[in-house]
Amino acid sequence: GENVEQHPSTLSVQEGDSAVIKCTYSDSASNYFPWYKQELGKRPQLIIDIRSNVGEKKDQRIAVTLNKTAKHFSLHITETQPEDSAVYFCAASIRGSQGNLIFGKGTKLSVKP
Amino acid sequence: DTAVSQTPKYLVTQMGNDKSIKCEQNLGHDTMYWYKQDSKKFLKIMFSYNNKELIINETVPNRFSPKSPDKAHLNLHINSLELGDSAVYFCASSGSSGAYEQYFGPGTRLTVT
Repeated sequence: GENVEQHPSTLSVQEGDSAVIKCTYSDSASNYFPWYKQELGKRPQLIIDIRSNVGEKKDQRIAVTLNKTAKHFSLHITETQPEDSAVYFCAASIRGSQGNLIFGKGTKLSVKP
Repeated sequence: DTAVSQTPKYLVTQMGNDKSIKCEQNLGHDTMYWYKQDSKKFLKIMFSYNNKELIINETVPNRFSPKSPDKAHLNLHINSLELGDSAVYFCASSGSSGAYEQYFGPGTRLTVT
């Protein structure tokens, strides 16, 4: 069945450093790849997304890259701040669905001041 | 002015009981979802529903059933609750087919004792 692998499961960086989270997906028909941030006890919130007709998208300190051939996509956070500490989820759309997403298992990012 | 709301926020109940969680969205979206987030923080889709189609994740026990009185509401009914049903349940919604951005509710923490 469809699957999304996410690595690493935990990531600890020093404030100001960059953080990179990587995901791979199995469904070649996936065409939408969102990233969600979930702070402790809160709901997942969309931070950035990319569609399959684009290779890279940037929003201030956050960027996402997509390699359709390799079925890889990555989240890059530059100049990390303590408030970036959270669990980050990647997701991919499922073939033939009405917007259904399959999520990776999450990456717990800790940014140390 | 909450976009996606859920009630109750916390639900503690005994094994064997039947319970419901309510979800409402005021975004004018036509597709709604239910997710289960277990103790390991894995997010798994349970159902997606619009006025045309219900898609059920085949791993969801038939004790779980979604009910939609109208386009703005998708409630989750759970019969004969089991210990393993303890989790956080998130409702989400998205717009028309092709616009996959999903907005999550605040979650309902269900504890079965």
